[in-house]
Amino acid sequence: GAVVSQHPSWVICKSGTSVKIECRSLDFQATTMFWYRQFPKQSLMLMATSNEGSKATYEQGVEKDKFLINHASLTLSTLTVTSAHPEDSSFDICSAQRSQGGTYEQYFGPGTRLTVT
Amino acid sequence: AQKITQTQPGMFVQEKEAVTLDCTYDTSDPSYGLFWYKQPSSGEMIFLIYQGSYDQQNATEGRYSLNFQKARKSANLVISASQLGDSAMYFCAMTSGRGTGRRALTFGSGTRLQVQP
Repeated sequence: GAVVSQHPSWVICKSGTSVKIECRSLDFQATTMFWYRQFPKQSLMLMATSNEGSKATYEQGVEKDKFLINHASLTLSTLTVTSAHPEDSSFDICSAQRSQGGTYEQYFGPGTRLTVT
Repeated sequence: AQKITQTQPGMFVQEKEAVTLDCTYDTSDPSYGLFWYKQPSSGEMIFLIYQGSYDQQNATEGRYSLNFQKARKSANLVISASQLGDSAMYFCAMTSGRGTGRRALTFGSGTRLQVQP
């Protein structure tokens, strides 16, 4: 099966600091990865689409200077939350897209629980 | 634009009984895909079932079946013989447009299912 990992699985950081979250496709190449954000008791909302070798595409209302996305290889995308604040505390989940025989499937990572104090 | 609506914030079901979780969708694209995911308290997104807009038959996966009514734009999830381990948050999601599998998912607000012994 297709496996996607995220690191760290949880992180606590102080207000004003930055934190980096990694999303890796372990057994397939993913030219596209998606970053979703989930606040407590809410649904998942797409933040941005990460494309290998090009700039990420951000959803309306998402600050690209605050949420830096780098997709430097076919198996790794990183999300850096800069100058984090308590309201940024969330559950961040990536999904990696696998292409097989002309069809596309998405596989979710286990998520990263971000707590900003 | 596409939209997913889940009108049941919470549902209770007795163990071993069947339960239906409602989902309606809206899109102007004739090509779309509908998904159901389970999210336990750990946060991971577990894929349950998929229905393509051109699929003639309703999708089934073990105890899960998708009641797809295209004219009503509904894609309800039916869980048969509920188990205590089915207690979780359930999300309906969709992608639409050409190359539908290449796009990010739009999620509904979710339904929290509690299975009672």
